[in-house]
Amino acid sequence: DAKTTQPNSMESNEEEPVHLPCNHSTISGTDYIHWYRQLPSQGPEYVIHGLTSNVNNRMASLAIAEDRKSSTLILHRATLRDAAVYYCILRPFIGNSGYALNFGKGTSLLVTP
Amino acid sequence: DGGITQSPKYLFRKEGQNVTLSCEQNLNHDAMYWYRQDPGQGLRLIYYSQIVNDFQKGDIAEGYSVSREKKESFPLTVTSAQKNPTAFYLCASSLDLRQGKNNEKLFFGSGTQLSVL
Repeated sequence: DAKTTQPNSMESNEEEPVHLPCNHSTISGTDYIHWYRQLPSQGPEYVIHGLTSNVNNRMASLAIAEDRKSSTLILHRATLRDAAVYYCILRPFIGNSGYALNFGKGTSLLVTP
Repeated sequence: DGGITQSPKYLFRKEGQNVTLSCEQNLNHDAMYWYRQDPGQGLRLIYYSQIVNDFQKGDIAEGYSVSREKKESFPLTVTSAQKNPTAFYLCASSLDLRQGKNNEKLFFGSGTQLSVL
């Protein structure tokens, strides 16, 4: 399975934009790029996903490189509630085979007032 | 509200004891999953089920067992064979993945913290 590489931790000031990078140089053509985040002592929650084009939703934006070997999750204005571990995950094509999202260690985002 | 409910939130196991973690969902999802998370680590897949009465081992199934008798329920039993059971256990669900769509979201419960006495 293709793997992702993320920094262990990042820090941001409140109300500043945050760019969380993810490298996935072995991504296949049918892999979707998913982002989840996990607040302390909670289960992960879906943030955003995309295939080739940049995506926006109410939580964040996802910028995907033209060669798809990297992507960036953008939080436009960080708040204290955005402090969490952010996971970048490749979701392979399933068909009739088994499936699992492979959550690595993610990036721990610290937001300071 | 629709969602996934895990219980209990905290659970303690004695040596040699089996314990069962509950996971219920009312999202009408076909697929359900169990993950284990150790401190400072990512999630590792224990078991998953794509449909009622069927389930598959994940990466770390040894010492665990599951059942899927109802669509809404996917209980996980941590057996005495699991020598290091202390961890945060997360249950998740999603739509049927066998349709070939690869953009389905996972919905997670709030987790159960299991500790050994």
